[in-house]
Amino acid sequence: DGGITQSPKYLFRKEGQNVTLSCEQNLNHDAMYWYRQDPGQGLRLIYYSQIVNDFQKGDIAEGYSVSREKKESFPLTVTSAQKNPTAFYLCASSIVSQGSNQPQHFGDGTRLSIL
Amino acid sequence: GDSVTQMEGPVTLSEEAFLTINCTYTATGYPSLFWYVQYPGEGLQLLLKATKADDKGSNKGFEATYRKETTSFHLEKGSVQVSDSAVYFCALTNSGTASKLTFGTGTRLQVTL
Repeated sequence: DGGITQSPKYLFRKEGQNVTLSCEQNLNHDAMYWYRQDPGQGLRLIYYSQIVNDFQKGDIAEGYSVSREKKESFPLTVTSAQKNPTAFYLCASSIVSQGSNQPQHFGDGTRLSIL
Repeated sequence: GDSVTQMEGPVTLSEEAFLTINCTYTATGYPSLFWYVQYPGEGLQLLLKATKADDKGSNKGFEATYRKETTSFHLEKGSVQVSDSAVYFCALTNSGTASKLTFGTGTRLQVTL
């Protein structure tokens, strides 16, 4: 079955440490996205990528970095510059289609906590 | 910029009750509208969508109609079940090929026996 796989499901970060969240999709989607979800809030866009080797900042990119070396993969690094990283992180993907807005498909998320 | 406003939760209903979750939006142009559902500890699943005015999206007994005149996309279900307990997000995309989503804050639904 096609889908989006996020790993790990739970992740713990020590102070001053960088951590990388994995996101892999086998849907053959061109676009991929990272969102952050905090309790009682909607999802906020961190980064997105419409094509390999290209990505754009979303609304809350500070303290995060991404890469898009392969179509299937869009890892997110939470750097030590992100002072409040505890959140639920969701990866999504979608078809890129001129003139129409395609729905996004989501992974099951990674919950990041600070030790 | 674009924005989505949802009714505050939680919404608590008895099984078989009628559900309405209100959603209004602000956007330029012709956005597409979506409802996503999130079960505890999971990611979001697309529930239904509508891409132009007067379209009705429907799935699993849920419905929502794209009302451009009132900029609304209210979610309804005639008879809820305990298994419908989840958080529901209204969202729009209005960015052409980027398909960037703007979400509401979500509405928690709790259905009791």
